[in-house]
This record gives sequence, structure tokens and C-alpha cells, in this order.
Amino acid sequence: DIVMTQSPDSLAVSLGERATINCKSSQSILYSFDNKNHLAWYQQKAGQPPKLLIYWTSTRESGVPDRFSGSGSGTDFTLTISSLQAEDVAVYYCQQCYTTPITFGQGTRLEIK
Amino acid sequence: EVQLVESGGGLVQPGGSLRLSCAASGFTFSNYDMSWVRQAPGKGLEWVSSISPSGGSTYYPDSLRGRFTISRDNSKNTLYLQMNSLRAEDTAVYYCAKERGKNDYWGQGTLVTVSS
Repeated sequence: DIVMTQSPDSLAVSLGERATINCKSSQSILYSFDNKNHLAWYQQKAGQPPKLLIYWTSTRESGVPDRFSGSGSGTDFTLTISSLQAEDVAVYYCQQCYTTPITFGQGTRLEIK
Repeated sequence: EVQLVESGGGLVQPGGSLRLSCAASGFTFSNYDMSWVRQAPGKGLEWVSSISPSGGSTYYPDSLRGRFTISRDNSKNTLYLQMNSLRAEDTAVYYCAKERGKNDYWGQGTLVTVSS
């Protein structure tokens, strides 16, 4: 199984500042057929289901603010929130959808400093 | 508007069975993979199962294969999860999600509690 490891487990950032969450896969998740890393990011606010933010490493889902961006290659990936807003408080998960079993990172809790 | 509405959760004794349902609307259900993802209280997300558009292919983690069965009825736009031999560690909110990964729509979830 592909293990997804996020860092840090929790993060406190001041409003308007940059937040960076890392995700490492235990093996490549690059699909040779489309040359895309099948890595997605989700945001889960308290009491709500997860919301897809980014897929294929860096493609923003429709309606997601452009302060959210994804990057990475190989086995190392990053979610960046360029200017933290109060409504961004949530737990963030990465997910590899390259192969089954689909696996998620353990989550990163983002709070306001 | 895409909607996924789960039902069928509740309290069940260890060793018991439960069938969850997910009613889908707002998209052509028969064109998409569908999935179940669960979240134990205070814990992270765990993929449970996925199924191909026709239902001909199903996917499970090794830890659940044999106890859980995913199925779908495209004539009713409904996804199912049959759960047998339930254990305390199966206690979780079970979400229905569109697609196998890159899950762009999720239901609100249904809580399954396994306890005597």
C-alpha cells in the first residue's frame, strides 16, 4: 500500500500569512498514461464532509479560491494557502488516487495564531 | 445540483450486519465510479470501497475484503454498502463520494456505531 505522510500534524498561522502543508508518498504516484501525479487535497471543516480543493497535484477544483495552490513532483507535494483567512481553519488531507487501496494522509490541523 | 444522501446507519451489536444506501441525484450516476469513505470519531479519513460505473469491478482494502460488499443499482441511482461481522473498530461516519479518487462530491455521512 502507498503510505501518505503529512507534515506538520498541526499548524498555527496568523491571518494574512502563508500556510504550507507537506505530503510525502511512499512511492511514485505518477501515472505514465497521462503524466500526472494523482494527488488530491481536501479541506474538512468541523462537522462537515471533506471538500475537494486540488487534484492532479496542482489543478484547483472549480470555485476554490486562488489563494489555495498545490505543487510537487516525485514523492513530495505541498499545499499552500497564500494569505490565510479565518474561514480556512480546518483539517487538510492529501490523498493518492494513483492505485487502490486509495490512501489518505493522517491530516494536518490548521488554526489561527 | 449534485446531491448524495446516505442512510441506513445506526447502532448495531458486534457481529451484526448493516446495509448503507446512498441516493444520488444531479448527475448521470451510471457514468461514474462511486466510493465509500469512513471516518472514525476524532480520526482521519479511510477509504472503504469503490465500484465501477457498471458495477462490474469493485475495489476494497485487504483489511475489509470479505466483510464489506459494495454494489449499485443504476436504475435507482443508488449506491450500497453491505457490512457484515461488524466490529467496534468499524464505528465511524460513512460517507458516500462520487468518483474513485479525486472525490468531487460527498454526502453528509451516516453514523454507524458498533456496540453492545
